[in-house]
Amino acid sequence: SYVLTQPPSVSVAPGQTARITCGGNNIGSKSVHWYQQKPGQAPVLVVYDDSDRPSGIPERFSGSNSGNTATLTISRVEAGDEADYYCQVWDSSSDHPHVVFGGGTKLTVL
Amino acid sequence: QVQLVESGGGVVQPGGSLRLSCAASGFTFSSYGMHWVRQAPGKGLEWVAFIRYDGSNKYYADSVKGRFTISRDNSKNTLYLQMNSLRAEDTAVYYCAKGNAYGDYVDYWGQGTLVTVSS
Repeated sequence: SYVLTQPPSVSVAPGQTARITCGGNNIGSKSVHWYQQKPGQAPVLVVYDDSDRPSGIPERFSGSNSGNTATLTISRVEAGDEADYYCQVWDSSSDHPHVVFGGGTKLTVL
Repeated sequence: QVQLVESGGGVVQPGGSLRLSCAASGFTFSSYGMHWVRQAPGKGLEWVAFIRYDGSNKYYADSVKGRFTISRDNSKNTLYLQMNSLRAEDTAVYYCAKGNAYGDYVDYWGQGTLVTVSS
């Protein structure tokens, strides 16, 4: 089955740019979606269809997807961005379509 | 605004059964596919199941296929997850989640209900 690989952790200083990667075989041919989850809370969608933002999500959050890697970029990182981030695709390549999540990346703001 | 409220979680013995419910409001429930997603303590997100807007198609993770059944009652705006033959590894917070127009991602999540499988 399809596998998404994320780094377990990323650290960044406030005001800097955080980049969280999501690797998958030819992931550039799929639509990638990203969720933010803070401790004790439900996840929140922050980027969908590779690079679109839901209403209410700051422009500091952006996404890209090409080849074997999708990337969530958070510009001008703030303390409130500290959270776990998950990438996700819909894998329709098999006879039983299903959702696939990456293992998650913990973003630490130094 | 969209609201998804799960209920039915609790403690159950291995091999037992439990039915989760999710009451939806704030959107036209009968027009959207719905997901169940779970998260074991201290672990990442794991997709469990998806049902299309009219119940015509249902998809399951390999880890629950044959044991869990997703269903919906559009007249009651309610999503269900029937869980049978429960195992310790099914212990998790279970989230009810609204799919987008095509169902391939989640645009709203409930707050989750905890299921603990333990003797």
